[in-house]
Amino acid sequence: DGGITQSPKYLFRKEGQNVTLSCEQNLNHDAMYWYRQDPGQGLRLIYYSQIVNDFQKGDIAEGYSVSREKKESFPLTVTSAQKNPTAFYLCASSQYAGRYNEKLFFGSGTQLSVL
Amino acid sequence: AQTVTQSQPEMSVQEAETVTLSCTYDTSESDYYLFWYKQPPSRQMILVIRQEAYKQQNATENRFSVNFQKAAKSFSLKISDSQLGDAAMYFCAYRERNQGAQKLVFGQGTRLTINP
Repeated sequence: DGGITQSPKYLFRKEGQNVTLSCEQNLNHDAMYWYRQDPGQGLRLIYYSQIVNDFQKGDIAEGYSVSREKKESFPLTVTSAQKNPTAFYLCASSQYAGRYNEKLFFGSGTQLSVL
Repeated sequence: AQTVTQSQPEMSVQEAETVTLSCTYDTSESDYYLFWYKQPPSRQMILVIRQEAYKQQNATENRFSVNFQKAAKSFSLKISDSQLGDAAMYFCAYRERNQGAQKLVFGQGTRLTINP
């Protein structure tokens, strides 16, 4: 079945540690996105990529890094510079980055907690 | 910057009845999209309904319909014949039409409970 796979489902980070969240899609979508969800808040955009080897910062990119070496993969690294990393992270994709009415497809998310 | 506000943190409704969730937004743009997303306990985001700002007709999808008031910048979701499976967090979201990417701005969400 086609879809977006996020792993792991739960992740724990120690102080000063970098951790990487995986996002893989087999939908052949051009664009991929990372959103952060905090309790009582909506989703906020961290980074997005419209094409391989290119990505742009979203609204809350500080303390995060991404790469897009393959069309199918868009991993997110939460660095030690992110002082409040505890949140639910959602990856999404859309078929064409430039189309106006493209639908977003979401993964099932990763819950990151600080030990 | 665009903002989206959902003023009802929680709502409840009896099964089979109708409920309306509120959403207001702030933008200086004239052309944009508005969305309602559902997040059930599985936490996966599911698109419920989409409205294009240049269309005057309100969008409908089966039991779900919207009341889009462009001048008032209001975008409410009506769920008719509520079912137990409708229980979820509901998020209103906004996106400018002339963006090259799906950069959505979300509201804070409304938790909907269905009472049997």
